[in-house]
Amino acid sequence: AQSVSQHNHHVILSEAASLELGCNYSYGGTVNLFWYVQYPGQHLQLLLKYFSGDPLVKGIKGFEAEFIKSKFSFNLRKPSVQWSDTAEYFCAVTPRNSGNTPLVFGKGTRLSVIA
Amino acid sequence: ETGVTQTPRHLVMGMTNKKSLKCEQHLGHNAMYWYKQSAKKPLELMFVYSLEERVENNSVPSRFSPECPNSSHLFLHLHTLQPEDSALYLCASSQDNNGLSRDTEAFFGQGTRLTVV
Repeated sequence: AQSVSQHNHHVILSEAASLELGCNYSYGGTVNLFWYVQYPGQHLQLLLKYFSGDPLVKGIKGFEAEFIKSKFSFNLRKPSVQWSDTAEYFCAVTPRNSGNTPLVFGKGTRLSVIA
Repeated sequence: ETGVTQTPRHLVMGMTNKKSLKCEQHLGHNAMYWYKQSAKKPLELMFVYSLEERVENNSVPSRFSPECPNSSHLFLHLHTLQPEDSALYLCASSQDNNGLSRDTEAFFGQGTRLTVV
């Protein structure tokens, strides 16, 4: 079965600092990859997704992620964070070509951005 | 607003109560899911319905009973729960196309915060 590892449980950054959140997955086949964000008191929202093509994916709010197949990684990045980026970030994977494809999530990384 | 609506938003119930969580999606999707979100744990997939048939049950205790009467509605019936079942229960929907479509992202509701006392 596939699994997702997120290396950091809680990250604290100052505004304008650069962000990189790690995500590794375990699955031998082809996968679809996602980053979701959950702002305080709100629902999970999709930040970006990778299905195929350019491994560098641009998402909303200035986020991007790079799929490195050889490392089974899909790290999330943002060059300059804002206070409004304070949220919990979840990496998720689903195998392709496997019928019904529910998402498998990592434990999440809480990001706190301070002024 | 994501197109997935969950009610109630908050629920407090005793261990001997019976209650139900409701989820409704307005996106025309053919698959619906229940997830459990507990502190410091990954989101746990509980149940999957595709085309109104249950296709996955991840070793969930029988005190949780799902029901999917049609492709737009999903229920989670609760009875004789334990305090450790307190969590945020999330409903999601997606369009299941065997993972080939670019529309296989899941849309989530805001969740029901359940407290078992």
